[in-house]
Amino acid sequence: DIVMNQSPDSLAVSLGERATINCKSSQSVLNSSNNKNYLVWYQQKPGQPPKLLIFSASTRESGVPDRFSGGGSGTDFTLTIASLQAEDVAVYYCQQYYVTPCTFGQGTKVEIK
Amino acid sequence: QVQLVQSGAEVKKPGASVKVSCKASGYTFSTDHMHWVRQAPGQGLEWMGIISPKSGGTSYAQKLQGRVILTRDPSTSTVYMDLSSLTSEDTAVYFCAREAVRGLYYFDFWGQGTLVTVSS
Repeated sequence: DIVMNQSPDSLAVSLGERATINCKSSQSVLNSSNNKNYLVWYQQKPGQPPKLLIFSASTRESGVPDRFSGGGSGTDFTLTIASLQAEDVAVYYCQQYYVTPCTFGQGTKVEIK
Repeated sequence: QVQLVQSGAEVKKPGASVKVSCKASGYTFSTDHMHWVRQAPGQGLEWMGIISPKSGGTSYAQKLQGRVILTRDPSTSTVYMDLSSLTSEDTAVYFCAREAVRGLYYFDFWGQGTLVTVSS
């Protein structure tokens, strides 16, 4: 199985400041046939299911605010929240779907400083 | 709008089985594969398996092989997750989740979750 490792486990950021979450996979999730990275990001608030934010490592899902952006390729990825808002307090997960079973990172908790 | 509505919380004894339902609406049930993902308390997410609502074909996580069965009822647009031989390690919130793109195991809509507690 591909192991997904996120860092940090938690971070506290001031309102309006940038938050960056890292995700590293144990093997590449880049599909060379279409040059797409098979990596998504979810946001999960307490008592709710995960919400899809980003797919193909960098494409925002419809309706997701543009302060959320994804980057990276191969084995190293980032999720950036450009200007943290109060409603962004949540746990964020990366997930690879290049290999079955799909696997998730352990999550990164984002809080307000 | 797409909705996945799951059955309510369950409390089970070790060794028992549990069956959780997930009723889909707002889209054509047969076109999109459905997955199940679970989340132990305070823990991360674990993929359990996939079912094709059209054919009934399934595939399961190796760890759960032999204990999990996914079924569906096209007449009610409902999928079911049956987990047997429960232990305390199966205590978790169980989610159904719709596959966003055919053949790619990531998920655009999720059920609200069903808490299954295994306790003697």
